[in-house]
Amino acid sequence: ILNVEQSPQSLNVQEGDSTNFTCSFPSSNFYALHWYRWETAKSPEALFVMTLNGDEKKKGRISATLNTKEGYSYLYIKGSQPEDSATYLCAFDQTGANNLFFGTGTRLTVIP
Amino acid sequence: DVKVTQSSRYLVKRTGEKVFLECVQDMDHENMFWYRQDPGLGLRLIYFSYDVKMKEKGDIPEGYSVSREKKERFSLILESASTNQTSMYLCASSLGLAVNEQFFGPGTRLTVL
Repeated sequence: ILNVEQSPQSLNVQEGDSTNFTCSFPSSNFYALHWYRWETAKSPEALFVMTLNGDEKKKGRISATLNTKEGYSYLYIKGSQPEDSATYLCAFDQTGANNLFFGTGTRLTVIP
Repeated sequence: DVKVTQSSRYLVKRTGEKVFLECVQDMDHENMFWYRQDPGLGLRLIYFSYDVKMKEKGDIPEGYSVSREKKERFSLILESASTNQTSMYLCASSLGLAVNEQFFGPGTRLTVL
């Protein structure tokens, strides 16, 4: 079982603030890094799947970067809104076989 | 719209019962997965399947088995439920063997008394 760590565990921000969190993963044998958003009482939904060192991906106010050599990815949310409140999960794919190792998530609460 | 459905949102069973959790996807995906989610732990892979009648053990297969008789359906079986199998169970599917996002069902919260 591979070690995938996310920090912080939880985060409260004011509406309009920008925020970011970290996912750390083993830097050897990298294949892909996934980010998912999991809102309460809903299913986890994919945000990004990243495969190349230096990748930057963006979806609306959310973006992510990837550093495979040092084994980390950042997720950024610009101008947080209450609807961004969710748990954000990262998952590491070492082989490309879609066998994902998940972190424990960062629980974001955006206070109106 | 992509859809993964699970047979129950909440389930309560007794120790020793045989439990079936059903998952159906309507996207013609080759890959299907069963995870469990416990407080303080990330999603952990129990079993996955790349094709009909094919299965592979994940990280925590002990106490579970699976069945995939049709492409769209992947069943998780607890042969003799125990209290330590009380958990949230999530099913997911994805397309092919390339790197692709996984689509998740809503989860089944199983309580074993």
